Amino acid sequence: KQEVTQIPAALSVPEGENLVLNCSFTDSAIYNLQWFRQDPGKGLTSLLLIQSSQREQTSGRLNASLDKSSGRSTLYIAASQPGDSATYLCAVRGGKLIFGQGTELSVKP
Amino acid sequence: DGGITQSPKYLFRKEGQNVTLSCEQNLNHDAMYWYRQDPGQGLRLIYYSQIVNDFQKGDIAEGYSVSREKKESFPLTVTSAQKNPTAFYLCASRPGLATDTQYFGPGTRLTVL
Repeated sequence: KQEVTQIPAALSVPEGENLVLNCSFTDSAIYNLQWFRQDPGKGLTSLLLIQSSQREQTSGRLNASLDKSSGRSTLYIAASQPGDSATYLCAVRGGKLIFGQGTELSVKP
Repeated sequence: DGGITQSPKYLFRKEGQNVTLSCEQNLNHDAMYWYRQDPGQGLRLIYYSQIVNDFQKGDIAEGYSVSREKKESFPLTVTSAQKNPTAFYLCASRPGLATDTQYFGPGTRLTVL
């Protein structure tokens, strides 16, 4: 059974810092891995989608990597801003999309 | 304006009542999903449908029911059999391939009084 774990559960950083969010999964038989952002009381917004054949994806200040063999993904946020404050969820797709519990990020001005 | 809409945004229910949450998409996506989110937890799959007139149970289907009579609509009914229905409910859709991105609606917060 696929299990997805995100560490840390919460993170608080000063504005301008570079930071890394971690996601690990137990079954490497996946189609892809997706990172989402969720603002309080809102739906999920897709940030990056990495197919199983890819190693990383980049969008602006965000970079996500995927290492299937070790069951790990990282989301790198460069030069963090207060507007980046949100919960970040990773999810892996095998037969279904399985979610981690999320990392709640707070970026202080 | 394409996307996924959910209504209502907030819903209050008395114990013993059934309620139906609406989910509509105009993206022409084949697959639709319902998830439940509890505080501090990830999303858990309730039901999903990969094609019109067909749907399957997810991991926590007990106390819920769905229908998929039209491609663009996938309503979720929370029945009185669901013992702890207070949660945030999210609907999603996907074009059809396993490699595709999944898109989410804005969510409905259900509170049982």
